[in-house]
Amino acid sequence: GQSLEQPSEVTAVEGAIVQINCTYQTSGFYGLSWYQQHDGGAPTFLSYNALDGLEETGRFSSFLSRSDSYGYLLLQELQMKDSASYFCAVRGGASKIIFGSGTRLSIRP
Amino acid sequence: SQTIHQWPATLVQPVGSPLSLECTVEGTSNPNLYWYRQAAGRGLQLLFYSVGIGQISSEVPQNLSASRPQDRQFILSSKKLLLSDSGFYLCAIRGQGKTGELFFGEGSRLTVL
Repeated sequence: GQSLEQPSEVTAVEGAIVQINCTYQTSGFYGLSWYQQHDGGAPTFLSYNALDGLEETGRFSSFLSRSDSYGYLLLQELQMKDSASYFCAVRGGASKIIFGSGTRLSIRP
Repeated sequence: SQTIHQWPATLVQPVGSPLSLECTVEGTSNPNLYWYRQAAGRGLQLLFYSVGIGQISSEVPQNLSASRPQDRQFILSSKKLLLSDSGFYLCAIRGQGKTGELFFGEGSRLTVL
């Protein structure tokens, strides 16, 4: 089967750094993506890793270790607007893309 | 740039009634199209994806079906809705770049009573 695991909830303080982990088990692997979803809205793409290592996009970074079937999303200088749900997603085949169950990030002032 | 239209945005249907959700795409051709469902407070469950007209891959056996009658049209249907079909239905297309990111429509929120 194919599955992705990530923590259901994370709480952090404004201005701090938070890391959201994702482990996956898939029959094929083309890359790991991260999406952000605010309440009531549609998910929006944040980052993508196809190779091992760190990808940085502004305050957000994403890391991948294919040998460990593991990745994480790192959010720095947290802002209140970062309060949202974050999903990791694996492209397990040429077209098939499955999502984790999501991590709800709550930020305290 | 590509845009995704989903309708209806919101609907309330009785158990046992039929369903038809439509997704149309503009600004791209021969896209990979996806239907996801999200139950309240939960993750995105892949229902169907399509790589071309008439080509549908089903991920979860259930009372839903999908069709792609035209290149940029993706339809989700049911003959008889169940209470468990309630949720937020999202249509998405996969981008052409190396990231293969998904672009989502605004979604259709279905409540089955």
